[in-house]
Amino acid sequence: DSGVTQTPKHLITATGQRVTLRCSPRSGDLSVYWYQQSLDQGLQFLIQYYNGEERAKGNILERFSAQQFPDLHSELNLSSLELGDSALYFCASSVGGGYEQFFGPGTRLTVL
Amino acid sequence: TQLLEQSPQFLSIQEGENLTVYCNSSSVFSSLQWYRQEPGEGPVLLVTVVTGGEVKKLKRLTFQFGDARKDSSLHITAAQTGDTGLYLCAALGTGTASKLTFGTGTRLQVTL
Repeated sequence: DSGVTQTPKHLITATGQRVTLRCSPRSGDLSVYWYQQSLDQGLQFLIQYYNGEERAKGNILERFSAQQFPDLHSELNLSSLELGDSALYFCASSVGGGYEQFFGPGTRLTVL
Repeated sequence: TQLLEQSPQFLSIQEGENLTVYCNSSSVFSSLQWYRQEPGEGPVLLVTVVTGGEVKKLKRLTFQFGDARKDSSLHITAAQTGDTGLYLCAALGTGTASKLTFGTGTRLQVTL
């Protein structure tokens, strides 16, 4: 158990819909990262937040957005969902911008 | 953008055999990490290497960082069924952002 929690574990929805994925970092960690893992693209970095502020952006689509709240939990919002958005979404956390990132168990999103 | 190529993509071996997994790039890494991911779970950090030529051992696992810091290898001695999983190398970005760029992955299956 990494100490990072993600909800829900599974999510099935339809194209065009909007969903919100939630992540609670390890106690004391200020940085939260979001990654997408699909069969054809592997594990891709989406976005990082540090203490409520956006710190780095990766291959995140404009239809996707994220935020980190004062209690340090983070949400990833995915809108206008397409079939190709079906993937595993992982959240990771670290103390700061440090080397060691701890990954949550992931949310499996299926878009039908 | 750093591209990390891992080889082989798939490896199926019997318990007790030795194996080596490679991670290569045309770019120089500031540091490199190895993760193992089991089905339905998030990646778990195994090791971080930061110095060219560095060798780290973790029980039956030996990690090496190339002298030029462009490549790395993971050697497993006397593989066990519990070593089965997806092995990922990841390069850490520089600066205040700590986004990870993951390799293409090596899926290892160890059978009795």
